[in-house]
Amino acid sequence: DAKTTQPTSMDCAEGRAANLPCNHSTISGNEYVYWYRQIHSQGPQYIIHGLKNNETNEMASLIITEDRKSSTLILPHATLRDTAVYYCIVRGAGGYQKVTFGIGTKLQVIP
Amino acid sequence: GAVVSQHPSWVICKSGTSVKIECRSLDFQATTMFWYRQFPKQSLMLMATSNEGSKATYEQGVEKDKFLINHASLTLSTLTVTSAHPEDSSFYICSAPLSRRYNEQFFGPGTRLTVL
Repeated sequence: DAKTTQPTSMDCAEGRAANLPCNHSTISGNEYVYWYRQIHSQGPQYIIHGLKNNETNEMASLIITEDRKSSTLILPHATLRDTAVYYCIVRGAGGYQKVTFGIGTKLQVIP
Repeated sequence: GAVVSQHPSWVICKSGTSVKIECRSLDFQATTMFWYRQFPKQSLMLMATSNEGSKATYEQGVEKDKFLINHASLTLSTLTVTSAHPEDSSFYICSAPLSRRYNEQFFGPGTRLTVL
């Protein structure tokens, strides 16, 4: 799996958009970008994933650059409940792929 | 959505005893499940891949005789920490892929193990 680089921590004001960047310059053509988050003392939660097109769901939007070497997860209106560690992971989608977690970004939403 | 449960959610045991942690996929079948361990302020570390009907695959550095994995059915995998010691105290998390959702991983809520 390709490695990813994320900032260690970020702050965001409640109600504002949270933009979490991720670099994955060694991503290969068949690898997807996945985002998970882990709220304190809970299991990780899937957020979104994409290959090359931008994606949006009820939780977030994923913007992937044209060269696919970086991406940004956008939480459009951050709430205090969004305070968590966010993990950007690059992996293939086929088969039962194990997920390798990096350090992630600790997002603190501030009232 | 798919749900993965773990039992117990927390456990405290004495050093030298064994502890069993269950991971269940509640509304889907999982021939493969994954076990992770997470120490305080650290990321999740994959321990092993649990395969229904066959032996588990352990990651490098994980003692297979200490962390026994049994995947007895398509909805249940168990992790037994044998002869637990204080350094085994950790947060243990399982996950299972859902084939109808691009093999997306669904994670359990985790089990907090404290060994005294």
